[in-house]
Amino acid sequence: KQEVTQIPAALSVPEGENLVLNCSFTDSAIYNLQWFRQDPGKGLTSLLLIQSSQREQTSGRLNASLDKSSGRSTLYIAASQPGDSATYLCAVTRGSGGGADGLTFGKGTHLIIQP
Amino acid sequence: DGGITQSPKYLFRKEGQNVTLSCEQNLNHDAMYWYRQDPGQGLRLIYYSQIVNDFQKGDIAEGYSVSREKKESFPLTVTSAQKNPTAFYLCASTKTSGPTSSYNEQFFGPGTRLTVL
Repeated sequence: KQEVTQIPAALSVPEGENLVLNCSFTDSAIYNLQWFRQDPGKGLTSLLLIQSSQREQTSGRLNASLDKSSGRSTLYIAASQPGDSATYLCAVTRGSGGGADGLTFGKGTHLIIQP
Repeated sequence: DGGITQSPKYLFRKEGQNVTLSCEQNLNHDAMYWYRQDPGQGLRLIYYSQIVNDFQKGDIAEGYSVSREKKESFPLTVTSAQKNPTAFYLCASTKTSGPTSSYNEQFFGPGTRLTVL
């Protein structure tokens, strides 16, 4: 059974710092990996999707990497801002059905950026 | 604006009642999903549907039922058989076919918070 682990569970840093969030998964037979952001009481916002054949994706100050063989992904946030404060969730595709069978999620990293 | 809508935002259920959560999408997505989120836990998959009139159980389907009569709609019923239904329920969808398919990138609605009284 696929398991997704996110480290750290919580992180508090001063504004302006660069930071790295970690995600690991036990079964490397994934179709893709997604990083999401969740604000309190809200739904999830998709940040980046990395296909299994890709090594990284970038969007603005965010960069996500994928090492499928070792079952690891990182989300790098550059020049953090107070508005980045949220819970960040990592998820991988379930099963081998081309990615349409839903996602398996980690428990998230709760990030606080201090002004 | 294209997107996923869920209603109601808050729902209260008495013991022994069945309640239905609505999920609608106008993104022309093929597949739809229901997840449950509990404090301190990751999201868990309840049911999913890849095409109209077909759906599959996820990891925690007991006590729930779904239907997919239209491509745009995927309602979730929480039955009285679900012993601990208090949670935040999230609906998602993705496109799984056609030239604009983004390798099954999932998009989420705003959620429904269900509380048992």
